[in-house]
Amino acid sequence: DAKTTQPPSMDCAEGRAANLPCNHSTISGNEYVYWYRQIHSQGPQYIIHGLKNNETNEMASLIITEDRKSSTLILPHATLRDTAVYYCIVMKAGKSTFGDGTTLTVKP
Amino acid sequence: GAVVSQHPSRVICKSGTSVKIECRSLDFQATTMFWYRQFPKQSLMLMATSNEGSKATYEQGVEKDKFLINHASLTLSTLTVTSAHPEDSSFYICSASAPSGREETQYFGPGTRLLVL
Repeated sequence: DAKTTQPPSMDCAEGRAANLPCNHSTISGNEYVYWYRQIHSQGPQYIIHGLKNNETNEMASLIITEDRKSSTLILPHATLRDTAVYYCIVMKAGKSTFGDGTTLTVKP
Repeated sequence: GAVVSQHPSRVICKSGTSVKIECRSLDFQATTMFWYRQFPKQSLMLMATSNEGSKATYEQGVEKDKFLINHASLTLSTLTVTSAHPEDSSFYICSASAPSGREETQYFGPGTRLLVL
């Protein structure tokens, strides 16, 4: 499985956009990029995934570079409830390896 | 959206006893479920992959005789921690794969916190 690299922590002001980067330079052609978040003492929550095109849903947007070696998760208007650990994972057929993720703290 | 439940949410047991954790996909059928373990302030660690009707595939270093996995139906997988010891105390999380376009997305349960005294 391809590994991912994320900054350990980030801060964001409430109401502003949160941009969370992820490097996945060893991703293979058929592996998808997935983003999950985990709020303390809960199971991870699915946010979004993509293969090579940019994706948007009601929670976030996912921007994948053309060479697919990195991606950015965008939370357009962060709220205090978005404070969590965000995991970027590359996955095919369900099996994946979780890295340490980015702890996003949204501040008032 | 796809919903995965776990039962119990929290369990305390004595050392040497066995504990069973259930993982259910509530609104979809899952041919594959995964079991993870998470220690405090650490990331999720995959323990095993559970396929309906066949034996589970365990990750390196995970004892299959200690962590018994049964995936008897398309909506239920169980993890039994046999002869639990204090070092088995952890947060156990399952996930189930649901079709999402051409790919299968993993949806996670809320987790089960196990404390072995």
